[in-house]
Amino acid sequence: GEDVEQSLFLSVREGDSSVINCTYTDSSSTYLYWYKQEPGAGLQLLTYIFSNMDMKQDQRLTVLLNKKDKHLSLRIADTQTGDSAIYFCAAGGYNKLIFGAGTRLAVHP
Amino acid sequence: DTAVSQTPKYLVTQMGNDKSIKCEQNLGHDTMYWYKQDSKKFLKIMFSYNNKELIINETVPNRFSPKSPDKAHLNLHINSLELGDSAVYFCASSAGATSTDTQYFGPGTRLTVL
Repeated sequence: GEDVEQSLFLSVREGDSSVINCTYTDSSSTYLYWYKQEPGAGLQLLTYIFSNMDMKQDQRLTVLLNKKDKHLSLRIADTQTGDSAIYFCAAGGYNKLIFGAGTRLAVHP
Repeated sequence: DTAVSQTPKYLVTQMGNDKSIKCEQNLGHDTMYWYKQDSKKFLKIMFSYNNKELIINETVPNRFSPKSPDKAHLNLHINSLELGDSAVYFCASSAGATSTDTQYFGPGTRLTVL
């Protein structure tokens, strides 16, 4: 079945860039999403990319998509302590999203 | 204004009890969802309703019964609660029923079964 995989942890220093990676198996995925979950909160949509795009930039966020390798990444520039959260990648099948297990980003001074 | 709201935020109950979680969205969306997030943060879809009609029903015990009285509401009723039902349950909504329609999530309901 469809699967989405992410590394579980990432630790970065404040001010550095963070890169969170994701791979998915469903080549028919039309949209790919990044959600952020802060402790005790729901999922907040950060950004998404359409499958016919290679890159999307939104302020400090850059999404790169390699459709051939089914690889998606989220780069956060100038990472701040407020960016500490769990980041979920999600791939869209026909009528549902398949979520990865989430990458816990820890930002330290 | 809260776009997708859930009640209660926390629910602690004994094994064997029956409980309900309510969800409401004021976004005018046609599609609503229930997700379960386990202790390892793994998020999995349970149900999806479009215009009050069930369109996704994943492999979920039939102790779980969603009910959609109207497009803006999707409630989740759970019978005979078990320890393994302890999780955070998220409601979400989207304009349409395909994965190209962005889903907006509620704040979650943390269910603890003792």
